[in-house]
Amino acid sequence: EDQVTQSPEALRLQEGESSSLNCSYTVSGLRGLFWYRQDPGKGPEFLFTLYSAGEEKEKERLKATLTKKESFLHITAPKPEDSATYLCAVQRYAGNNRKLIWGLGTSLAVNP
Amino acid sequence: GAVVSQHPSRVICKSGTSVKIECRSLDFQATTMFWYRQFPKQSLMLMATSNEGSKATYEQGVEKDKFLINHASLTLSTLTVTSAHPEDSSFYICSARGHSSTDTQYFGPGTRLTVL
Repeated sequence: EDQVTQSPEALRLQEGESSSLNCSYTVSGLRGLFWYRQDPGKGPEFLFTLYSAGEEKEKERLKATLTKKESFLHITAPKPEDSATYLCAVQRYAGNNRKLIWGLGTSLAVNP
Repeated sequence: GAVVSQHPSRVICKSGTSVKIECRSLDFQATTMFWYRQFPKQSLMLMATSNEGSKATYEQGVEKDKFLINHASLTLSTLTVTSAHPEDSSFYICSARGHSSTDTQYFGPGTRLTVL
């Protein structure tokens, strides 16, 4: 069965304290892995798409990497405005309108 | 680019009434739109997928006669919650995906529905 597991469930960092969020997945035929950021009471904001193992993408303080079993979202020197829930989702190659399979998210709080 | 809007952002209605939520892709053509529901501190639950000009495909357990979805154009999809009850109160979010091969879904800001 296709599954996405995110860890930790919640993470509290001090401003400037770098860390990583994990997204492990089991899916038959990965088409893509997506990272989103969601602020309270808002829709998810797209961050990255990764397609193949070894791929890396960066945006400001965020860097996403992908292996055959998991993805990491590295946050370098975070600021309080990086506080949000980070969602990971995977997409299979076949069928089902290529819908996304979602993890439960990691709630990140960055203290000043 | 890739902006999706939703209207209204917040709605309060009486039990038994129907509520319509609009989802628009503002700067791209959305061949596929998705409707999600999200409960507090939980992840997104896909309700249905709609392709322009076709009937929506509903996920298991979602009542298609209660949650009516129309995707009449490449920039507009609507979700109508019919005969709403308090248990329908939730945060409803739409997303849109265009022709691009990246398959990225872009999300609207969400609609908070409260049924009294």
